[in-house]
Amino acid sequence: LAKTTQPISMDSYEGQEVNITCSHNNIATNDYITWYQQFPSQGPRFIIQGYKTKVTNEVASLFIPADRKSSTLSLPRVSLSDTAVYYCLVGAPYNFNKFYFGSGTKLNVKP
Amino acid sequence: GAVVSQHPSRVICKSGTSVKIECRSLDFQATTMFWYRQFPKQSLMLMATSNEGSKATYEQGVEKDKFLINHASLTLSTLTVTSAHPEDSSFYICSASPELGLAGAETQYFGPGTRLLVL
Repeated sequence: LAKTTQPISMDSYEGQEVNITCSHNNIATNDYITWYQQFPSQGPRFIIQGYKTKVTNEVASLFIPADRKSSTLSLPRVSLSDTAVYYCLVGAPYNFNKFYFGSGTKLNVKP
Repeated sequence: GAVVSQHPSRVICKSGTSVKIECRSLDFQATTMFWYRQFPKQSLMLMATSNEGSKATYEQGVEKDKFLINHASLTLSTLTVTSAHPEDSSFYICSASPELGLAGAETQYFGPGTRLLVL
């Protein structure tokens, strides 16, 4: 059973910042939050992972409030190639935690 | 680092035959790998957990006799779809994590997937 809830789809235009929020009300103390990107007919690709506050890498930022019951993936200045499905997952590292995927968010970037 | 490969990338077979899919961790060892199935326009569904040197653990509703998993080494897991039927046509994806204490151990890395079409 998926532990997360995301919007089914979102639309954006090239050059805009996109924020995708994920709800995970029952997150456990040891759980980390991980976001993946999936293109059609490809395996999911790791984007970013965090535990609390803010994490930033070369492709995205992850914002996690103090209660950790939600998280927001921020994609700066999206392009057409960012059109994909984005999945938010929670799980405990170091424990080979199983990942149960939710529906994900289909991001459509328009020109 | 943390690259996972799958072979073949796509396979077409006749109904009733068996198909083997390989999943390899290329630059790290993994005692545990996972197998997923994804139908068109749907999310990934976890099928089983593959454990090196022991039996796989299957999710509820997944037939262990139909989907045989062998984790022969720390870098290789295989999924064999036995007596395949058209309803087994799907996109099969594996994932793995590096060992505890190594870089990247905190998440799963996914293979590129294998497209199976059963005629």
